Amino acid sequence: GAVVSQHPSWVICKSGTSVKIECRSLDFQATTMFWYRQFPKQSLMLMATSNEGSKATYEQGVEKDKFLINHASLTLSTLTVTSAHPEDSSFYICSARTLTAYNEQFFGPGTRLTVL
Amino acid sequence: TQLLEQSPQFLSIQEGENLTVYCNSSSVFSSLQWYRQEPGEGPVLLVTVVTGGEVKKLKRLTFQFGDARKDSSLHITAAQTGDTGLYLCAVRKANNLFFGTGTRLTVIP
Repeated sequence: GAVVSQHPSWVICKSGTSVKIECRSLDFQATTMFWYRQFPKQSLMLMATSNEGSKATYEQGVEKDKFLINHASLTLSTLTVTSAHPEDSSFYICSARTLTAYNEQFFGPGTRLTVL
Repeated sequence: TQLLEQSPQFLSIQEGENLTVYCNSSSVFSSLQWYRQEPGEGPVLLVTVVTGGEVKKLKRLTFQFGDARKDSSLHITAAQTGDTGLYLCAVRKANNLFFGTGTRLTVIP
């Protein structure tokens, strides 16, 4: 099956610093990648969608200048949380989809971000 | 406003009991998916239902899509401790996958 990896799996940073999270599709080309955020005991909330080589589309209420998304290749997307604050602490999950398997979306294992 | 409301939000049952969780919406969908997520991991797809009234079985799990394709249910027979997790329904809207509010199930041995 299709595998999506994320790195790092967890990260702790100081308030005000920036953190980059990588999402890779290991055995397929991901034309579209998605970033979700999940707060404790809550569901996944879609943050943004990115297509390879294009600017990301952000959901309402998500600050695009704070959450920078880059989808530079068909196997890699990055999410950078800029000037992180404690309220950004969350579980960030990426997902990837191919052009041909439209209804199949494969999820990464998530990255736990803690901002002190 | 949440697109998909799940109930109950939390459920704690004894091993061996049966349970049903629900996913409801006021909108009609062409398909609906159920996922299970364990702590510290991404969600894993369990099933996709596409036809109104459709019933799919996955071992002890039975999924049903409402006749009007607005709601769905997940029934677990003889729950096991390994069934513990967060159950999420999800639908595709405008090319994106949106998740329900989730049901956190705990099966007590």
